[in-house]
Amino acid sequence: DAGITQSPRHKVTETGTPVTLRCHQTENHRYMYWYRQDPGHGLRLIHYSYGVKDTDKGEVSDGYSVSRSKTEDFLLTLESATSSQTSVYFCAIRISGGIYNEQFFGPGTRLTVL
Amino acid sequence: DQQVKQNSPSLSVQEGRISILNCDYTNSMFDYFLWYKKYPAEGPTFLISISSIKDKNEDGRFTVFLNKSAKHLSLHIVPSQPGDSAVYFCAASVGNNNDMRFGAGTRLTVKP
Repeated sequence: DAGITQSPRHKVTETGTPVTLRCHQTENHRYMYWYRQDPGHGLRLIHYSYGVKDTDKGEVSDGYSVSRSKTEDFLLTLESATSSQTSVYFCAIRISGGIYNEQFFGPGTRLTVL
Repeated sequence: DQQVKQNSPSLSVQEGRISILNCDYTNSMFDYFLWYKKYPAEGPTFLISISSIKDKNEDGRFTVFLNKSAKHLSLHIVPSQPGDSAVYFCAASVGNNNDMRFGAGTRLTVKP
């Protein structure tokens, strides 16, 4: 257990509305990640952060923005949700000094955009 | 552009037998490979990993084999147990690069 929580765990929203998902960690790890999981695609990286206010894009960043104003919180925002963003979203952390780049995942947020 | 591929969406084995899950990759720059296990309604959990300088890594009932020339890795579970029933994801990265790529997953069912 890497002390990762995600909120909300479930959300249903309508197309065009803004949505913010929160990832919170308790162990001050530097690296944090947002992924989405879809059938047939596995997990795909949306954005990641390597420190407070330091973020970068991943493989599927279009339509998403992130912010990290504190070490423990990494927020994912959908400015105007679309049905294609219906997915399960996972936050992850990487423990610095890990030999094999292991990432540890939160429990996920299931987002449905109607 | 799926750089990591798991071509078998599902696998069913009998309890006590060997489970072999396969993974292929296209990017020859990948040098770290990992397997994750995922139960329904939970996040993926790290299972085992291997660096490209090795061809085998073993941890209890789990062994990962890497064939760099074929760009192929496999996860062996011996003996398989019903509690191993889950979705298994293969992942790969270049060094400690933050851009880790995942396969689509294989659903393993171990029958009692």
